[in-house]
Amino acid sequence: EVQLVESGGGLVQPGGSLRLSCAASGFTFSSYDMHWVRQTSGKGLECVSTIDTADKTYYVDSVKGRFTISRENAKNSLYLQMNSLRAEDTAVYYCARGRSGYYSWGQGTLVTVSS
Amino acid sequence: DIQLTQSPSFLSASVGDRVTITCRASQGISSYLAWYQQKPGKAPKLLIYPASTLQTGVPSRFSGSGSGTEFTLTISSLQPEDFATYYCQQLNSYPRTFGQGTKLEIK
Repeated sequence: EVQLVESGGGLVQPGGSLRLSCAASGFTFSSYDMHWVRQTSGKGLECVSTIDTADKTYYVDSVKGRFTISRENAKNSLYLQMNSLRAEDTAVYYCARGRSGYYSWGQGTLVTVSS
Repeated sequence: DIQLTQSPSFLSASVGDRVTITCRASQGISSYLAWYQQKPGKAPKLLIYPASTLQTGVPSRFSGSGSGTEFTLTISSLQPEDFATYYCQQLNSYPRTFGQGTKLEIK
């Protein structure tokens, strides 16, 4: 059974940092593009970042220079290092897998940026 | 970035109704469009990709069509479990973008 389990969310002050992790199981992790998608009540779904099987990375403009996506295939893990956090980064963050649609998702981890 | 505009944003319908949701792209995306269903407190579920191909296990009452800039998701006969929010997503270019969502409610 495919499983994606996010962790690392929480409450952080503006300007602070968090590192999200996603533990993958049930599939060959290194063979799949992986993504971080966030959801806010006001703005719906937003693809924050992608790392493909060749370790090429993509970011939405609003997080470029602040967030870094990485993967560790030996540990079947995906990461999102988030620096210089802003109130507008407050959201549920999902990891997802797939290239032809995002066909597996985790349960999400809540990130709240507030003083 | 490619913008996706869904219509309507809210839809009220009854069990057994046929409903159609439209997704328009700001530029051509061929058939690189996905449809997702999301229920409260849950992650989105992939229904269709590319534009008209049902994912395994998705009921045949769901169908998708379109290419280029205009796409539709149709549910032929609504069932109680179909009341949810539906999103389109383009996978033609980065950044991948989603439509704003269509909330399907029980009338």
